[in-house]
Amino acid sequence: NAGVMQNPRHLVRRRGQEARLRCSPMKGHSHVYWYRQLPEEGLKFMVYLQKENIIDESGMPKERFSAEFPKEGPSILRIQQVVRGDSAAYFCASRRDNEQFFGPGTRLTVL
Amino acid sequence: KQEVTQIPAALSVPEGENLVLNCSFTDSAIYNLQWFRQDPGKGLTSLLLIQSSQREQTSGRLNASLDKSSGRSTLYIAASQPGDSATYLCAVDLGGTASKLTFGTGTRLQVTL
Repeated sequence: NAGVMQNPRHLVRRRGQEARLRCSPMKGHSHVYWYRQLPEEGLKFMVYLQKENIIDESGMPKERFSAEFPKEGPSILRIQQVVRGDSAAYFCASRRDNEQFFGPGTRLTVL
Repeated sequence: KQEVTQIPAALSVPEGENLVLNCSFTDSAIYNLQWFRQDPGKGLTSLLLIQSSQREQTSGRLNASLDKSSGRSTLYIAASQPGDSATYLCAVDLGGTASKLTFGTGTRLQVTL
C-alpha cells in the first residue's frame, strides 16, 4: 500500500508564474489536508478537502491560492502569480480514522 | 486559538542517553495528539498517536505521555542512537469538522557517537 504521493518533489518558478502541486492520498483515503512550512517556521494548516468538496480553507491566503480534490485524480494546490514569499515546503496529508499520514512534500522555490 | 510550544528547540546528547522532549498546548480540549519525526529535507513520519482519553502510548524505544488538564505531552526516547537524529514535532487535533493539526516548531535532536 503506497503512502501519500506528492509531485513534483522540487519546483522552481519565477515571480509571476503559476505553480501546481499534486497530491495522491493513500489508497482508500478520501480526506486530504495541505500544510505549508515556511523556512525556519512550523507547519501551518492551509486547507482540508474531501472528494469534490472544500471543507475548511481557513488557513489559505485569500488571493492567488486555490485547491481542489476532483472525483478522479489527485488533489491539486494551485498558486497563481507566485511571489518570493511563497517559497516553502508544501505538505499533503491524508487521514485514516484519527491519524494523518504525510507525503514527502513539494519544495517550491520562487526566483 | 491553540498554540503549541516545544522545549527545548535543540538538543544534543551522546549515544545511549535517555531523553525527554516536551510539548505544551494552550487549549486542553484536544481530540488527540501526534508526535512526528522529520528528517532534513524530508516529509513527516508519524511516531505515536495519543487519543484524548489515553495517558500514554509506546512504540519500541519511544513512549509518549499526555496530560490534558495541564496541557502537556512528553516524548521519551530510551537508549538514543545516532539514527534518532532528526526534528521531532508534536501536533494537536482539536477535532470538529476538519480535524486539522496545529504544530509546534519542533525540537532538533542530535545524537552523537
